[in-house]
Amino acid sequence: DAGVIQSPRHEVTEMGQEVTLRCKPISGHNSLFWYRQTMMRGLELLIYFNNNVPIDDSGMPEDRFSAKMPNASFSTLKIQPSEPRDSAVYFCASSQMTSGARTDTQYFGPGTRLTVL
Amino acid sequence: AQSVAQPEDQVNVAEGNPLTVKCTYSVSGNPYLFWYVQYPNRGLQFLLKYITGDNLVKGSYGFEAEFNKSQTSFHLKKPSALVSDSALYFCAVRDGMGRSYIPTFGRGTSLIVHP
Repeated sequence: DAGVIQSPRHEVTEMGQEVTLRCKPISGHNSLFWYRQTMMRGLELLIYFNNNVPIDDSGMPEDRFSAKMPNASFSTLKIQPSEPRDSAVYFCASSQMTSGARTDTQYFGPGTRLTVL
Repeated sequence: AQSVAQPEDQVNVAEGNPLTVKCTYSVSGNPYLFWYVQYPNRGLQFLLKYITGDNLVKGSYGFEAEFNKSQTSFHLKKPSALVSDSALYFCAVRDGMGRSYIPTFGRGTSLIVHP
């Protein structure tokens, strides 16, 4: 398996523009997480999907952020409009969660480094 | 509620010496504990986990961690550090009896191994 795939790897945009980050989880995984990493705040969970359904979006900063998972193999994180304070590395991670929960190791993608000017 | 603390922002060790990266946790139920490593410009990579069983857990790259219930700790260790071990290390915890599958990550500890 190729692992979790994220695109683009780097994104530079201007304030006010729309940004869309993409993620393809590992095939067969039923859970997907979006994280944001900055020096100041460390690793923050933005949203968690289970079986394509958003379960916890309490970490989404504000209405400018939205995330979708239309099917088991694809998710997007959209920022509209983008602001300089959104500059960060955004990670997608997937895992296979079961009620027994013995296999809930998360597998992270390489991340998207977003710079908003 | 669940939380994890990594009390050291940075750990420095000489190559060949043993290393320890500290982690303490707090959960209401049974702790599921994880260590991840992040190399520069890469995503987090799973190292090892404790769910149940033997308190000493062995993982990738010669790392191990010891679960200590009385001290609520899960310190990461390696007998002999390599320069290539230099990276950012994250501890994470999840309440095994909780309804949420969401782990809580620590802020990370930067390990620097000097030649």
